[in-house]
Amino acid sequence: AQSVTQLGSHVSVSEGALVLLRCNYSSSVPPYLFWYVQYPNQGLQLLLKYTTGATLVKGINGFEAEFKKSETSFHLTKPSAHMSDAAEYFCAVSDRMDTGRRALTFGSGTRLQVQP
Amino acid sequence: NAGVTQTPKFRILKIGQSMTLQCTQDMNHNYMYWYRQDPGMGLKLIYYSVGAGITDKGEVPNGYNVSRSTTEDFPLRLELAAPSQTSVYFCASQGLKNTEAFFGQGTRLTVV
Repeated sequence: AQSVTQLGSHVSVSEGALVLLRCNYSSSVPPYLFWYVQYPNQGLQLLLKYTTGATLVKGINGFEAEFKKSETSFHLTKPSAHMSDAAEYFCAVSDRMDTGRRALTFGSGTRLQVQP
Repeated sequence: NAGVTQTPKFRILKIGQSMTLQCTQDMNHNYMYWYRQDPGMGLKLIYYSVGAGITDKGEVPNGYNVSRSTTEDFPLRLELAAPSQTSVYFCASQGLKNTEAFFGQGTRLTVV
């Protein structure tokens, strides 16, 4: 069974400060890993994903994440926060495409506040 | 390109009423999913489908039913609404060659 743990349900940073959102996963097979963002009253939008290859993944809006197999982590970072980054962020894991089960298992989410 | 479309966006139901949440996608995706989102809980999988005519239960299927008669449509049925079904419901789809799922805008359901 897969699981995802996001440390910190709320994170507050100042505008221009580093954003670090933590995600640890558990999976019996090498997983695919995702970060989704949800703006108020909106659906989920894909920020970035790790499938294979380079472990440092760049996404939209200046976000990036690094897959660390030894630490079973996939933390999300952004060097400089912007007010528009305020949203809820979800880390998720799925099995690889060739295993048949693709449904996502989500973490509980981290709400990011950006202070002016 | 509409993507994944959910209707309605908002609904208030009385206890014991029934309703169908509609989901349609225009990307010819094989995989479709229904999730519910509760505060502080992330999203939980209710049902999923790997193609027309094939559905299976997810983590929290009790109180719900689904059907998949066409590739495009994946409706979610609540037969006897209960307050515990107050939630935001998201439909998603995924193609055979896609590694990620595409989400609809959600349906906010309140059962009173």
